[in-house]
Amino acid sequence: GAVVSQHPSRVICKSGTSVKIECRSLDFQATTMFWYRQFPKQSLMLMATSNEGSKATYEQGVEKDKFLINHASLTLSTLTVTSAHPEDSSFYICSADAPPGLAGGRSSYNEQFFGPGTRLTVL
Amino acid sequence: DAKTTQPPSMDCAEGRAANLPCNHSTISGNEYVYWYRQIHSQGPQYIIHGLKNNETNEMASLIITEDRKSSTLILPHATLRDTAVYYCIVAGLYGNKLVFGAGTILRVKS
Repeated sequence: GAVVSQHPSRVICKSGTSVKIECRSLDFQATTMFWYRQFPKQSLMLMATSNEGSKATYEQGVEKDKFLINHASLTLSTLTVTSAHPEDSSFYICSADAPPGLAGGRSSYNEQFFGPGTRLTVL
Repeated sequence: DAKTTQPPSMDCAEGRAANLPCNHSTISGNEYVYWYRQIHSQGPQYIIHGLKNNETNEMASLIITEDRKSSTLILPHATLRDTAVYYCIVAGLYGNKLVFGAGTILRVKS
């Protein structure tokens, strides 16, 4: 259990277009999802925290008008990169906060389940 | 900023124990120590977490010092598939965001 999927896994687009990335929790409901960005040979950088039914909370320096996040249901959050440019090329990873006790009956804790990531290349 | 410091890289022989250290001298009383790992081009995978007692699961053991200012992740019998970047993170128990530092690149060699 506790699987998080992302779609697409890889996308190549032209500069100026918008790209939508989906993050789904397949077998559990996640009230909170997180979006990260990772450049080559660097660590994950948290972009925003997404709560179902409310506006996302963006980290300092992340443009909310460029990276639109929608968490319309307990199993789906989307990240839209608007007017993408080559510098937006990166590996985008989402994670979902699992409810306590989900993972094999272990005690409650903040286990986040990560998606496999989406490789975005903007030409 | 990450509240942890880790060595940038380590090598380990296949079949031997891999001991990955982490310093978290500013950890607060209600924060836990979490370990995740990321295999190349994949999303991070949870390994283990702890508050102050040593913990063990099917993947690894976590040793936390008595003053909680540092910890060590132990992979008892490293395999080639354990080659990954290992991240030590301090965070609260519920719904808290994870701040990733640079991590330790562990290379398991045959």
